[in-house]
Amino acid sequence: GAVVSQHPSWVICKSGTSVKIECRSLDFQATTMFWYRQFPKQSLMLMATSNEGSKATYEQGVEKDKFLINHASLTLSTLTVTSAHPEDSSFYICSAGPLSGRSTDTQYFGPGTRLTVL
Amino acid sequence: QKEVEQNSGPLSVPEGAIASLNCTYSDRGSQSFFWYRQYSGKSPELIMFIYSNGDKEDGRFTAQLNKASQYVSLLIRDSQPSDSATYLCAGPSYNQGGKLIFGQGTELSVKP
Repeated sequence: GAVVSQHPSWVICKSGTSVKIECRSLDFQATTMFWYRQFPKQSLMLMATSNEGSKATYEQGVEKDKFLINHASLTLSTLTVTSAHPEDSSFYICSAGPLSGRSTDTQYFGPGTRLTVL
Repeated sequence: QKEVEQNSGPLSVPEGAIASLNCTYSDRGSQSFFWYRQYSGKSPELIMFIYSNGDKEDGRFTAQLNKASQYVSLLIRDSQPSDSATYLCAGPSYNQGGKLIFGQGTELSVKP
C-alpha cells in the first residue's frame, strides 16, 4: 500500500516552454501532497505543500507564479514549471501523506521526475 | 540553528562493519523521526520510523532515539555495498499539515 506515482519520469524541454508533472496516490487518498526539488549532491528542498481543494502553500523563496500547483482531487496533484529555463533543471519529487494525521505517519515518495531544460 | 542536522559525511565503512548515522534536532516537542535511504538518482524510500525513547530494531537496522539529548541515530549492522546511499533523517513539523523537516543527509559508502 501507499504507492505514489509520478509522470513523466524524465522530460527534456526547450527554454521558455512549460512542463507539467503529475503526482498520483494510487491506493489511498491524499489530502496533502508535497513537492520537492533536489539538485545534484544536495538534499531535498521543499517547494510547496499542496492541499486538495485549496491553494498551495509555498516555501520562502519559491516563486508561486513560476511553479504552479494544482490539487484538484484526492489522488492527483500537478506541478507546472512555467517558462522553464536551464536553471530549473533538477529532480522534482512529490510525496503524499501523512495518511492519518498521527505523528507516526510519514510521507510516501513518488519516483521523481528529472527535468532538463535546454 | 537548523531544525534537523546530520553530518553530511561521506562516511566510509568496510563491508561487514557497523555503520552509525547520527541526527540531532532542535524541536523538543518532536515525537517521531523517520530514516529514509536515497540511492543516487532515485527518490527517498522509508527505512524506519521511531517515536519512543530507546532502540527499535528491524533486521540489520536499529534506530535509536534519545529525547533528552534530542538525538536520533541509525545503526546498520553487517554493512553491505548495497547499503551505499545517502541516508536522510526527518522529523515532523507540527501544526504545518504533516510537513517533514529533513536533515541534509549523510552519504554512506560501504567498501567491499
